[in-house]
Amino acid sequence: DGGITQSPKYLFRKEGQNVTLSCEQNLNHDAMYWYRQDPGQGLRLIYYSQIVNDFQKGDIAEGYSVSREKKESFPLTVTSAQKNPTAFYLCASGMTVGTEAFFGQGTRLTVV
Amino acid sequence: RKEVEQDPGPFNVPEGATVAFNCTYSNSASQSFFWYRQDCRKEPKLLMSVYSSGNEDGRFTAQLNRASQYISLLIRDSKLSDSATYLCVVIPVNSGNTPLVFGKGTRLSVIA
Repeated sequence: DGGITQSPKYLFRKEGQNVTLSCEQNLNHDAMYWYRQDPGQGLRLIYYSQIVNDFQKGDIAEGYSVSREKKESFPLTVTSAQKNPTAFYLCASGMTVGTEAFFGQGTRLTVV
Repeated sequence: RKEVEQDPGPFNVPEGATVAFNCTYSNSASQSFFWYRQDCRKEPKLLMSVYSSGNEDGRFTAQLNRASQYISLLIRDSKLSDSATYLCVVIPVNSGNTPLVFGKGTRLSVIA
């Protein structure tokens, strides 16, 4: 099946630990994105990538890091520097940046 | 003025009703517009693109008003299954390399 896969669906971590969220796509899309959504709020852009080995900060990049070593993969690391990491994290991809995007099922991260 | 603004609702309507949502955007150079649907605790899914000439898909009609910088979504003959949050999405500039910007969404509840 073609699509975007995020794993895991639910993730629990202790405060102070780094955690990496996985995002894989087999749609041959160049653009990939990470958004964060808090309860009752809209989507906020964390990082995006236009092409392999390139990525740009979004509106709320502090405390996060990404890599884009392969076209199919765009993992997000939530570091201990992120003050409020508990949220719903959504990965998306699109043909290019500036076209419609398609989302994975999301990862709910809870930091206790 | 925020880049993309929507009335958060909720809109509570009976089955069979017609309901319309508006969304305003601040960047007059914006070229691409979309409506996404997000069910509770799920990922957003592309509902439809919004073209300059307007477009219709079954019970859904999307329109663009460039002069007033807003887009609209009209749902006719509402079904219970239409209950969701509807997200307005804009690509702010015509550079081909700007990520999508999401409104916070308008919540719709269709009541039996």
